[in-house]
Amino acid sequence: SQTIHQWPATLVQPVGSPLSLECTVEGTSNPNLYWYRQAAGRGLQLLFYSVGIGQISSEVPQNLSASRPQDRQFILSSKKLLLSDSGFYLCAYDARGTGWNEQYFGPGTRLTVT
Amino acid sequence: RKEVEQDPGPFNVPEGATVAFNCTYSNSASQSFFWYRQDCRKEPKLLMSVYSSGNEDGRFTAQLNRASQYISLLIRDSKLSDSATYLCVVNTPVSQGNLIFGKGTKLSVKP
Repeated sequence: SQTIHQWPATLVQPVGSPLSLECTVEGTSNPNLYWYRQAAGRGLQLLFYSVGIGQISSEVPQNLSASRPQDRQFILSSKKLLLSDSGFYLCAYDARGTGWNEQYFGPGTRLTVT
Repeated sequence: RKEVEQDPGPFNVPEGATVAFNCTYSNSASQSFFWYRQDCRKEPKLLMSVYSSGNEDGRFTAQLNRASQYISLLIRDSKLSDSATYLCVVNTPVSQGNLIFGKGTKLSVKP
């Protein structure tokens, strides 16, 4: 069966510090991978998606970046965090070829920038 | 017009009630439709896909009206455990695999 992991679960970081969030998927090959952010009381905002190793598409300009060093690993990074980066960060995957693009989410990382 | 629009609620209903959520979407070329459930401070979880002919899964019924660009979710015999936020989700044909999430409708089922 397929599973998706994210860590850490919670994080408190000062403004200006770096960030690295990790997501891994098991039980599927060559998935599409996504990073979303959900700010308090708001909807999900797509940040990045990847269709393969080293292939990253950005949906919104920001001080965040993403990388996909391995087929089932997706990393979200920042060199210097802003207060506005606080939120709930969710990684998701969909299995290609399904035709329906159902996405499945990891448990998320709750980031507070102080 | 927002890409995916939902009534934010909250819907406060007693146990056993029937409740319906509606959602409208703006892109007439969208082909895939879903309802997700999100519990407080948790990740969204797929509740059901929405097929053109409508579909039912136990107490849950989803319907799609392409002409009106409208999706609905009906919950019968509400349980306390149904309390959550329900997200309407639509794919964007421009980018493969990309989904647009509504902001959700909050449901609170009371004893």
